[in-house]
Amino acid sequence: GESVGLHLPTLSVQEGDNSIINCAYSNSASDYFIWYKQESGKGPQFIIDIRSNMDKRQGQRVTVLLNKTVKHLSLQIAATQPGDSAVYFCAESVYGGATNKLIFGTGTLLAVQP
Amino acid sequence: DTGVSQNPRHKITKRGQNVTFRCDPISEHNRLYWYRQTLGQGPEFLTYFQNEAQLEKSRLLSDRFSAERPKGSFSTLEIQRTEQGDSAMYLCASSMTSGGFRNEQFFGPGTRLTVL
Repeated sequence: GESVGLHLPTLSVQEGDNSIINCAYSNSASDYFIWYKQESGKGPQFIIDIRSNMDKRQGQRVTVLLNKTVKHLSLQIAATQPGDSAVYFCAESVYGGATNKLIFGTGTLLAVQP
Repeated sequence: DTGVSQNPRHKITKRGQNVTFRCDPISEHNRLYWYRQTLGQGPEFLTYFQNEAQLEKSRLLSDRFSAERPKGSFSTLEIQRTEQGDSAMYLCASSMTSGGFRNEQFFGPGTRLTVL
């Protein structure tokens, strides 16, 4: 099958370890952020989102941290599983803007070693 | 299946031919987006509809590209006189206007276009 992971930064972790994927965003006016997971040959799948009035948001096994001062996002995955192997993208937008179009960052390939 | 669907999933065409892709969004979603993704890159915004109105087009959308959403439900993206540089995954996403916090876009599986 095809791979969307060519030439992407790669994070390799052992099964059961925690993973941290980082993302720098570009627009200081962006106030809504989403992490997506994309498996080979599939469309991006929503993981978790956060508004700029928050620093941290937790979901099931995932946590997103937002540092507006340095325009940095991170996605933490607890107890990483083989099924978490995929390319992860952060995306930014201006919430309530005319379109809410998403601007995607460079993805990170997460490779989980059994 | 209540998610976003796209057809066809794969399209191989010869340079110079016209192609048309279809997107069926989640039924209650009034916003629809088209993105293009090339290998190793994140999706890039192409165009946006709110109901049947096309409200924004990226400069990436040359005059060979046209998109419609005639009844505010499904959308089509047509590429005329295809070029090899058009080879990419074309993704459709939909979302619902809401006053709440959540505004996530749900993506379809994409249409993989290969121009020979």
